[in-house]
Amino acid sequence: NAGVTQTPKFQVLKTGQSMTLQCAQDMNHEYMSWYRQDPGMGLRLIHYSVGAGITDQGEVPNGYNVSRSTTEDFPLRLLSAAPSQTSVYFCASSYSDSKTDTQYFGPGTRLTVL
Amino acid sequence: KNQVEQSPQSLIILEGKNCTLQCNYTVSPFSNLRWYKQDTGRGPVSLTIMTFSENTKSNGRYTATLDADTKQSSLHITASQLSDSASYICVVVTGGGNKLTFGTGTQLKVEL
Repeated sequence: NAGVTQTPKFQVLKTGQSMTLQCAQDMNHEYMSWYRQDPGMGLRLIHYSVGAGITDQGEVPNGYNVSRSTTEDFPLRLLSAAPSQTSVYFCASSYSDSKTDTQYFGPGTRLTVL
Repeated sequence: KNQVEQSPQSLIILEGKNCTLQCNYTVSPFSNLRWYKQDTGRGPVSLTIMTFSENTKSNGRYTATLDADTKQSSLHITASQLSDSASYICVVVTGGGNKLTFGTGTQLKVEL
């Protein structure tokens, strides 16, 4: 199993550009989520999904969209990039949203917005 | 406000030595507490998950403890190795199950 994969690994955008961060998992996990990690702060939840066709907002959803058309894929879209969105983005998945399910994280995408 | 505070912020130890990392939380209602290891440039990897009724859990040389009364947890690393150099993140999950509050991590460096 490849686990959770993310592409690209690095990305530089100009203010106002849009892009999609890709996330895929091959573990047949129902629950997937996106986090951002900023210096001096803990990971913060952007959006999450409890299954195909179902998404919901996390703690910091503004400026991001998600969709979940398949169990495997959970892309994160930046609609109009802003410098405040410079961060490292992690996708994670777990078998369910059960309280004790282990979450598996991808390797991250480092995004810089100029 | 739900918070997770970790100490120390950073730590340097010699290879072979033991160390203990601390985590205090104010998250409520409590569901479970997790410790993750994050290598530089990588995603976090789960080390332990402890529910309210568990006060200790081990994973190899890593042993986590939980005192739900005082809302404190610790992660003890025994006989440290160079590969233990990483950030260790404490995460507390609320009773709802899908709300995770992350600490900012303790940066551990193991030197020869």
